[in-house]
Amino acid sequence: GAVVSQHPSWVICKSGTSVKIECRSLDFQATTMFWYRQFPKQSLMLMATSNEGSKATYEQGVEKDKFLINHASLTLSTLTVTSAHPEDSSFYICSARTSGRYTQYFGPGTRLTVL
Amino acid sequence: DQQVKQNSPSLSVQEGRISILNCDYTNSMFDYFLWYKKYPAEGPTFLISISSIKDKNEDGRFTVFLNKSAKHLSLHIVPSQPGDSAVYFCAATLRGGYQKVTFGIGTKLQVIP
Repeated sequence: GAVVSQHPSWVICKSGTSVKIECRSLDFQATTMFWYRQFPKQSLMLMATSNEGSKATYEQGVEKDKFLINHASLTLSTLTVTSAHPEDSSFYICSARTSGRYTQYFGPGTRLTVL
Repeated sequence: DQQVKQNSPSLSVQEGRISILNCDYTNSMFDYFLWYKKYPAEGPTFLISISSIKDKNEDGRFTVFLNKSAKHLSLHIVPSQPGDSAVYFCAATLRGGYQKVTFGIGTKLQVIP
């Protein structure tokens, strides 16, 4: 149980385009989903937290207009990187947890490369 | 300010021996701790957790110890296996709010056959 999927697993795009990453909880209802990014040799950095049906809460320094997060259902959250630039190239990972539980279950991650 | 610290970037252990991964935290409000394992280009996999009301939690080969007075926790893997080679992240969270999890920078464990 507690499987989280992400799609796509990798994406290459041109600078200035937008990219959407999907995160799905396959066998549980994810009341809260988290989006992280990881740079090489660094830890996971939380970007934002979203509760189903609510606006996402962004961490300090994360541009909400650039990283659009939608959590429209209990099993799906999307992260859209708008007007992507090479510095947005990173490994993006989502996680999900259900109400009342502390453990987050992570997706396999999405490698974004912006040319 | 790094609230969860893993001061050893890497650790090498012989197969069959014990692996001990350490983690320190500075925020005394943290009350739930987790360990995750991560392979390259994959998302972290939950391993084991411990609540602040306990000082030990065991699951198979994995045991987590918590010393609240020292703000220190450790993950013991025994016996270590080559498949345990990965990056291990220590994480901590607060009850209440939206329970944001704070991760350490990770320790890369290599188990030598």
